[in-house]
Amino acid sequence: DSGVTQTPKHLITATGQRVTLRCSPRSGDLSVYWYQQSLDQGLQFLIQYYNGEERAKGNILERFSAQQFPDLHSELNLSSLELGDSALYFCASSVVGQGNTEAFFGQGTRLTVV
Amino acid sequence: GQQLNQSPQSMFIQEGEDVSMNCTSSSIFNTWLWYKQEPGEGPVLLIALYKAGELTSNGRLTAQFGITRKDSFLNISASIPSDVGIYFCAGRTGSARQLTFGSGTQLTVLP
Repeated sequence: DSGVTQTPKHLITATGQRVTLRCSPRSGDLSVYWYQQSLDQGLQFLIQYYNGEERAKGNILERFSAQQFPDLHSELNLSSLELGDSALYFCASSVVGQGNTEAFFGQGTRLTVV
Repeated sequence: GQQLNQSPQSMFIQEGEDVSMNCTSSSIFNTWLWYKQEPGEGPVLLIALYKAGELTSNGRLTAQFGITRKDSFLNISASIPSDVGIYFCAGRTGSARQLTFGSGTQLTVLP
């Protein structure tokens, strides 16, 4: 158990819908990262938050957004869903936003868009 | 964007054999990491490398950070059934914290 909690574990929704994925980081971790894992693109970085502020952005679609709340949990919002958005979405957290402190990954949310 | 070329894509080995996999990049990385992912789980960090030329072990696992900073390899000695999974290399550049992942090596250990 990495200490990073993601909910829900599985999500099935229809095209065009909007979903919210939730992540609770490890106790004391200020940085949260979101990654998408799909069969064709592999593991790709989406976005990072540090202590409530956006720190870095990767290949995140405009239909996707995220935020980190004062209690440090984070949510990834996916809207106008397409079949191609079906993937595993991982959250990871680390103690600080820099230095040699590596992130721990949650178990992921498997999103299926039908 | 940056890409990591990981090989081989899959490996079928007998229990007790040694395994080697590697990652190469056209870009320089200042950190190389190796992760293992099992079904239904997120990636778990195995080894972290922070200096060019660094050789680090974790039990039966050994990884090296290439001198050119553009490659890394992972060796697993005397494989056992619980080594089954997908192994990913990942790299980081500059002061950025996000990781670029390789495409993974699916390892199957036959009894």
